[in-house]
Amino acid sequence: DAGITQSPRHKVTETGTPVTLRCHQTENHRYMYWYRQDPGHGLRLIHYSYGVKDTDKGEVSDGYSVSRSKTEDFLLTLESATSSQTSVYFCAIRQSDNGDGYTFGSGTRLTVV
Amino acid sequence: SQQGEEDPQALSIQEGENATMNCSYKTSINNLQWYRQNSGRGLVHLILIRSNEREKHSGRLRVTLDTSKKSSSLLITASRAADTASYFCATVLNTGTASKLTFGTGTRLQVTL
Repeated sequence: DAGITQSPRHKVTETGTPVTLRCHQTENHRYMYWYRQDPGHGLRLIHYSYGVKDTDKGEVSDGYSVSRSKTEDFLLTLESATSSQTSVYFCAIRQSDNGDGYTFGSGTRLTVV
Repeated sequence: SQQGEEDPQALSIQEGENATMNCSYKTSINNLQWYRQNSGRGLVHLILIRSNEREKHSGRLRVTLDTSKKSSSLLITASRAADTASYFCATVLNTGTASKLTFGTGTRLQVTL
């Protein structure tokens, strides 16, 4: 999807374990985002980044942390996974600094058992 | 909380008919975007309308924006079975380094032959 890949695509993990999801872009975009998608809620913003080491919280950031040590990678970590974090996670990049259009990855389906 | 609410939540029409989806939002915006999501896939950007625009066209898509009512509509003309998907509106607000894309809850469109 236009230079953005998410890994893994699927993951099953146990409650209480840490989990890290990776988003990788090849196009050197400044802004990157993590969303979660749940039935009845649409997509909700978890965290976003506006540059290397520059991140900020979204509306559902509790229980999640992020890191961006390189322009191309934006990592989402669930410090201690809970069943409520079972969801589909999408990464997105903003195509330009004036906000035109966003490109989304294919998603990571995470199941916490 | 979600920025946008979409109406209807689900819409079923026959091929060849027009489909209209509405979106309401709560805050000021820089632009409003519409995305499409096929089942089990990522989101695809369809069209963007800026806050100073009232109507925009792209192929069979027509988007309107009424900032006084904080609402937008997406019209798909001459629908096809391949248009079956979920459609989301999303608003963008740029403030300083922050640039957030906030989604509505989506409309599920079913186009039957």
